[in-house]
Amino acid sequence: DVKVTQSSRYLVKRTGEKVFLECVQDMDHENMFWYRQDPGLGLRLIYFSYDVKMKEKGDIPEGYSVSREKKERFSLILESASTNQTSMYLCAACKGGNTDTQYFGPGTRLTVL
Amino acid sequence: DQQVKQNSPSLSVQEGRISILNCDYTNSMFDYFLWYKKYPAEGPTFLISISSIKDKNEDGRFTVFLNKSAKHLSLHIVPSQPGDSAVYFCAASVGAQKLVFGQGTRLTINP
Repeated sequence: DVKVTQSSRYLVKRTGEKVFLECVQDMDHENMFWYRQDPGLGLRLIYFSYDVKMKEKGDIPEGYSVSREKKERFSLILESASTNQTSMYLCAACKGGNTDTQYFGPGTRLTVL
Repeated sequence: DQQVKQNSPSLSVQEGRISILNCDYTNSMFDYFLWYKKYPAEGPTFLISISSIKDKNEDGRFTVFLNKSAKHLSLHIVPSQPGDSAVYFCAASVGAQKLVFGQGTRLTINP
């Protein structure tokens, strides 16, 4: 099975700080995704990447950017954190063209004060 | 615009009975549908899927039904077990591209 790890389980930051969320997968999968999960809204796609140095906007990219310098690593960046970015952030990975087997990391609970 | 909707935020079922979770969608271009299961403090895990060319897919205690004319899918769990207590998300995609998720339904199985 693919293992997807996220750098932190819990994170507390202040408004205006730059925040980095790191995600690493160990199975050489092409596709990686960042979602946020909020009560009553489910999982919403922020950004995804089909290959190294490639990125595509998801449904809610505003306030976020991403970086994929290596195939196994996909970083989510909050340039200037705001309180409405307090959420659970989930990273996922899957093989190319096979979205049914998205493997998720355990999530990072981010609180912005 | 919520393209995939799970209108029941929670569902409580007695152990051994059938659990039925429902999902509606609006985009007729969706051609692949999936259910994910999520325990607290863990990421979602893939449970079962169905292609739009089928109307039923079964895997052990889990069966997914697709009604394309009604744009509706459902997940049946028979018999329900305490370990099935979790949040269930339905999701849909067009051409094996990105997934669109519903809001989730919290299923509680009572002994």
